[in-house]
Amino acid sequence: GDSVTQMEGPVTLSEEAFLTINCTYTATGYPSLFWYVQYPGEGLQLLLKATKADDKGSNKGFEATYRKETTSFHLEKGSVQVSDSAVYFCALNMEYGNKLVFGAGTILRVKS
Amino acid sequence: NAGVTQTPKFQVLKTGQSMTLQCAQDMNHEYMSWYRQDPGMGLRLIHYSVGAGITDQGEVPNGYNVSRSTTEDFPLRLLSAAPSQTSVYFCASSYSTYGSYEQYFGPGTRLTVT
Repeated sequence: GDSVTQMEGPVTLSEEAFLTINCTYTATGYPSLFWYVQYPGEGLQLLLKATKADDKGSNKGFEATYRKETTSFHLEKGSVQVSDSAVYFCALNMEYGNKLVFGAGTILRVKS
Repeated sequence: NAGVTQTPKFQVLKTGQSMTLQCAQDMNHEYMSWYRQDPGMGLRLIHYSVGAGITDQGEVPNGYNVSRSTTEDFPLRLLSAAPSQTSVYFCASSYSTYGSYEQYFGPGTRLTVT
């Protein structure tokens, strides 16, 4: 079945460091890809998405590019802040059904 | 708009007890779903609904029941709680069943079964 694999955490960075969180997927069709973020004690919020190959999603300085050839959707940010500390989830859904399949989540801790 | 609301925020149950987790949305979304979040496993789909009167099972439906009598409400029932159901439960809603529409999540209910 469809699945998402993302790098294990926690990832600990200093403020202003470069961030990469790897995400790869397995799907039988052509999924849409998402990054969700969960701040402490809160629900999930959509961070960015891409709906087809070579699309780049971006929001709040974060970016991810839908790479069909490598089945990947890595999350990047050029300069992280303490306020970016959260759990990040990569997810996919297929064109029909709107049922999200999540990765295990990656904890990001940013130190000042 | 309040968005997606869930009650209660926290709940402790004894094994064998029953309870209902409430979920409501005020965005007139047709699609609603329940997920559980466990450490190291991400979120897994329990049940979902594509509209009032229509529900279906997700990845981990055993031990849970749902119904959808109105567009706004989608309660999740635990018939006989077990320690394996200790988890954080999230309700979500979306404008449409199809495509890549954003799903909006509630704040979650943290359930402990002793």
